[in-house]
Amino acid sequence: QVHLVESGGGLVKSGGSLRLSCAASGFIFSGSYMGWLRQAPGKGLECISYIGVSDDTIYYADAVKGRFTISRDNAKSSLSLQMSSLRVEDTAIYYCARVIVAGSANRFDPWGQGTLVTVSS
Amino acid sequence: QSALTQPPSVSGAPGQRVTISCTGSSSNIGAGYDVHWYQQLPGTAPKLLIYDKNYRPSGVPDRFSASKSGASASLAITGLQPEDEAEYFCQSYDSSLIGEVFGGGTKVTVL
Repeated sequence: QVHLVESGGGLVKSGGSLRLSCAASGFIFSGSYMGWLRQAPGKGLECISYIGVSDDTIYYADAVKGRFTISRDNAKSSLSLQMSSLRVEDTAIYYCARVIVAGSANRFDPWGQGTLVTVSS
Repeated sequence: QSALTQPPSVSGAPGQRVTISCTGSSSNIGAGYDVHWYQQLPGTAPKLLIYDKNYRPSGVPDRFSASKSGASASLAITGLQPEDEAEYFCQSYDSSLIGEVFGGGTKVTVL
């Protein structure tokens, strides 16, 4: 079945960098848009970035634009998020998700189990 | 401040019907963009529950249904079960923010 597994989370100081990875299986990764979403402790959900099937489309939320870089390796069915200039407010669980581009609003299905990123001051 | 507004919590007894509202604006739901709903069980990742007009992914019970009117949408749970205790999020697209947006989430408690 469709499976997404994130890794790379951890504790980092403000201003530091971290790279998240997502390993995908059970579907045609190279034909799927993929994205990263996050959920701050006790807060709601936020779509921070997604990437098209061949890097033709890349979206960043304003909150991470210029600091985060999304990339994919279709040969390895892998998605990455390079995070730099991290801020305390970037502390969250980061989820990898397949982005279903259909209709008038993209949707996210399925989601990985998430990886926790904690940014300390 | 979420672009979509949901009540923080709703509750009901087993077997009851509860509804969760999701209020948007003319740049998202009111503009006709699709609304999707997610269920997040305690300690787990969100799961797509209902998408577009009122479609349920395979495995989602038919006691979950969704509707939309004007700039608002709602999720109904008919015949509330203990396993429905979770947080529920609505999601749409916002043309002013130019991206997908979520509601703040509603915690459903089964009394």
